[in-house]
Amino acid sequence: QSALTQPASVSGSPGQSITISCTGTTSDVGGYNFVSWYQQHPGTAPKLMIFDVSNRPSGVSNRFSGSKSGNTASLTISGLQAEDEADYYCSSYTSSSTYVFGTGTKVTVL
Amino acid sequence: EVQLVESGGNLVQPGGSLRLSCAASGFTFSSYWMHWVRQAPGKGLVWVSRINSDGSIISYADSVKGRFTISRDNAKNTLYLQMNSLRAEDTAVYYCAREVLRSSGSHHFDYWGQGTLVTVSS
Repeated sequence: QSALTQPASVSGSPGQSITISCTGTTSDVGGYNFVSWYQQHPGTAPKLMIFDVSNRPSGVSNRFSGSKSGNTASLTISGLQAEDEADYYCSSYTSSSTYVFGTGTKVTVL
Repeated sequence: EVQLVESGGNLVQPGGSLRLSCAASGFTFSSYWMHWVRQAPGKGLVWVSRINSDGSIISYADSVKGRFTISRDNAKNTLYLQMNSLRAEDTAVYYCAREVLRSSGSHHFDYWGQGTLVTVSS
């Protein structure tokens, strides 16, 4: 199973919006509405930010939103804040009943 | 409070073995599918293995198939990963992760441990 494709880095100024893409295939992203997004600060465990394409767990800011079109999912962070600077990974359930992660995107707040 | 605590990471020589443990608390461990995910230094997350709630359904990534064995002891609320024939490329932080309850109809990881570092080097 090949990793989902994400941009290596995305940056934005405080208050701006940024979008991270996550491209897979019909065997993962395109075939299921089970795309999730995880935030990881250096030296810490990943944290669930979005599940089932666009749902937020309780406690996650509504500045985070997700969507999907075809084989590409997206995570949008609006009103960018310094604390949003982290690595972000998408993940999808697959046709093999396993999971695949994205290549990861480093978000920098300028 | 849900807690997942990994242990067992260490420095091991190529070709050696290691067993990782993940102690679970704060939830009914026997009801959940569990996974191992690893992250090589400076690299991304990679799914490694999964086991269903009673241990009867198991899957592995191709990169570890035949070398790693996932198991669980529901009486001890503990998940394991037996790693044999270790290679330099297995060097990583290994996380255990809980998959959301299957009956929810969703598929994602809702809780993660803090990870344990495995270093394979001579």
